[in-house]
Amino acid sequence: DSGVTQTPKHLITATGQRVTLRCSPRSGDLSVYWYQQSLDQGLQFLIQYYNGEERAKGNILERFSAQQFPDLHSELNLSSLELGDSALYFCASSYTSGKLFFGSGTQLSVL
Amino acid sequence: AQSVAQPEDQVNVAEGNPLTVKCTYSVSGNPYLFWYVQYPNRGLQFLLKYITGDNLVKGSYGFEAEFNKSQTSFHLKKPSALVSDSALYFCAVRDIGGGADGLTFGKGTHLIIQP
Repeated sequence: DSGVTQTPKHLITATGQRVTLRCSPRSGDLSVYWYQQSLDQGLQFLIQYYNGEERAKGNILERFSAQQFPDLHSELNLSSLELGDSALYFCASSYTSGKLFFGSGTQLSVL
Repeated sequence: AQSVAQPEDQVNVAEGNPLTVKCTYSVSGNPYLFWYVQYPNRGLQFLLKYITGDNLVKGSYGFEAEFNKSQTSFHLKKPSALVSDSALYFCAVRDIGGGADGLTFGKGTHLIIQP
C-alpha cells in the first residue's frame, strides 16, 4: 500500500460530461502529481501542485483543471469529455524530489 | 527538455536467466534517474534511483541499475529472473536543473519471464 488514496476506482460517463477525480496524498507529502496513462500515449505528466500552489504543467488539456486544497488533497476536474479521454488517471505524491508514491488510479471510461 | 527512451516494447527472459531492460535518457543538466514497476491493475512502485555516486545502484526485489554517463544509459538488471518479475517497467528522469519536480517517464517495457 503506497499510502496514496484515489477515488473513485472506476468511472463511467458519457461524452460531454464533467467528472472529478480525487486524491489524498501520503501523510506529510506536500507535492501531488497527476498522470494520465493510455495505451497509445503511455504515461503522460499532467500537472503538479506543491503545498496548494501549481508547480508545473505538462500535457494537460484546457478542458482539464486541478487544485490542491489546504488539507493537501487534490482534485482533477475533467470537462467536456471526449472518447479519447478514456484512460487510467494516476495521482502520486512525494516529500523529497523524485521518489513518487502512486495511487492505484482511476479508470475513466467515456462512452 | 528532458526525455527517456525505452527501445524495447517487450523483453522475454527464461526464469533463472539474467535480465536487462534498456533505458537511455536526455537532459540538459545532471540527471536524476529512476526505475518504477507496474503490476496489473496497480499503480507504479518505486524500484531504485540514481542521483550521484556509485554508478551501480541497488534497489528493491534484487534489481540493480547501471548508470553510464558517456552512453546516457541507465539499464535495469537482475542476475536471475523470477516469474513474479513479469510486469511493466518504466524508466524515468528528472533534470536536476529543472524547475519542476515531476518525472518524465519512458513508454514502458513489458518484461515477461517464462517458466
